[in-house]
Amino acid sequence: EPEVTQTPSHQVTQMGQEVILRCVPISNHLYFYWYRQILGQKVEFLVSFYNNEISEKSEIFDDQFSVERPDGSNFTLKIRSTKLEDSAMYFCASSEEAYSTDTQYFGPGTRLTVL
Amino acid sequence: AQKVTQAQTEISVVEKEDVTLDCVYETRDTTYYLFWYKQPPSGELVFLIRRNSFDEQNEISGRYSWNFQKSTSSFNFTITASQVVDSAVYFCALSVLNSGNTPLVFGKGTRLSVIA
Repeated sequence: EPEVTQTPSHQVTQMGQEVILRCVPISNHLYFYWYRQILGQKVEFLVSFYNNEISEKSEIFDDQFSVERPDGSNFTLKIRSTKLEDSAMYFCASSEEAYSTDTQYFGPGTRLTVL
Repeated sequence: AQKVTQAQTEISVVEKEDVTLDCVYETRDTTYYLFWYKQPPSGELVFLIRRNSFDEQNEISGRYSWNFQKSTSSFNFTITASQVVDSAVYFCALSVLNSGNTPLVFGKGTRLSVIA
């Protein structure tokens, strides 16, 4: 069964450093998402992406965040200058269609630890 | 704005007991979708079910069943004859029919512990 994959599974970085989290969505999916889950808290939407541009973003997704589809398979989330409060689990998701008639399937997550 | 409330933070049951996880949602939209996801200790989010606002028929899948009631804005999840492998955090989520990508709004989750 096709699945969303994410690398790395765990990333440790120093405050102020740039990190890139990588995702490979399900191959026939066209809509991509990033969510964040701070330890012990609920999952929060960051950004959605379609046709090589951002469709929607939350208040959390400020100027230090960016997303990119660098090739036909990868979808990346970049954090330019990490802060301690960026420590969280970051989930990538994809869906075949945009509308909420379709299910978003999640990857296993990348745990980001900012020291 | 949409909101999902899972009032039960943690539930602990003994194996083989039935357990119901509550989910109450708020939205002004008439067309919306409700989801349940499971997050086992390994951390991934596993899709369990999706329901749309026009389909109030309850659903059963093996030991899992879901009770959707628009009158009370609830979408509760029952596990029958619970097993240790059911131990996880369960999230209820909501999205509305809208143009463009529609983000999921999650509840805070209910941590279920099933004790052998």
